[in-house]
Amino acid sequence: AQTVTQSQPEMSVQEAETVTLSCTYDTSESDYYLFWYKQPPSRQMILVIRQEAYKQQNATENRFSVNFQKAAKSFSLKISDSQLGDAAMYFCAYGEGNYQLIWGAGTKLIIKP
Amino acid sequence: SQTIHQWPATLVQPVGSPLSLECTVEGTSNPNLYWYRQAAGRGLQLLFYSVGIGQISSEVPQNLSASRPQDRQFILSSKKLLLSDSGFYLCAWSSWTGNTEAFFGQGTRLTVV
Repeated sequence: AQTVTQSQPEMSVQEAETVTLSCTYDTSESDYYLFWYKQPPSRQMILVIRQEAYKQQNATENRFSVNFQKAAKSFSLKISDSQLGDAAMYFCAYGEGNYQLIWGAGTKLIIKP
Repeated sequence: SQTIHQWPATLVQPVGSPLSLECTVEGTSNPNLYWYRQAAGRGLQLLFYSVGIGQISSEVPQNLSASRPQDRQFILSSKKLLLSDSGFYLCAWSSWTGNTEAFFGQGTRLTVV
């Protein structure tokens, strides 16, 4: 069965610095999707970025980018120029285009002013 | 554009009372619908998903049930709440075509007392 592992329960970064959140997954499939979601204190889950496994190019959304290593089954999120508003729980998720997403346990990101 | 509404935002119910949480989606047809539960500081646990009216799949046997009386309406229910039902409940939708991310409602904080 597919699994998603986020090995960092908590990370902290100085405001304006760069931080990388780790995510690894296990699958025997070749076609799938990966996502990073943000859950701020308001608790609403917000999609940050998505990556299709068939694409070699790493996805980028403004200050957020991913390092997708398909062979290593690694999908890390890099946040550049960290801002106070980036403080949240970050969840990595895996999907195969059926009806379910497999979720990691989350990483709490703390931004130090 | 698509929107998802979930209510109520917070709910305090006594043990043994019934529960009804409602979720509606606007701006899309035949969405896949999901109910998740999130324990404090933890990831998401999929409770139910639905790919069409009257079609409900349960992931975790428990004291809860779900129904989909209309295409864009998803209801989470219980006949008699238990203390262990307390938690944060999230409704989500994704495109019926699959291969896409899930979009979440704002969540319901349920406290059973």
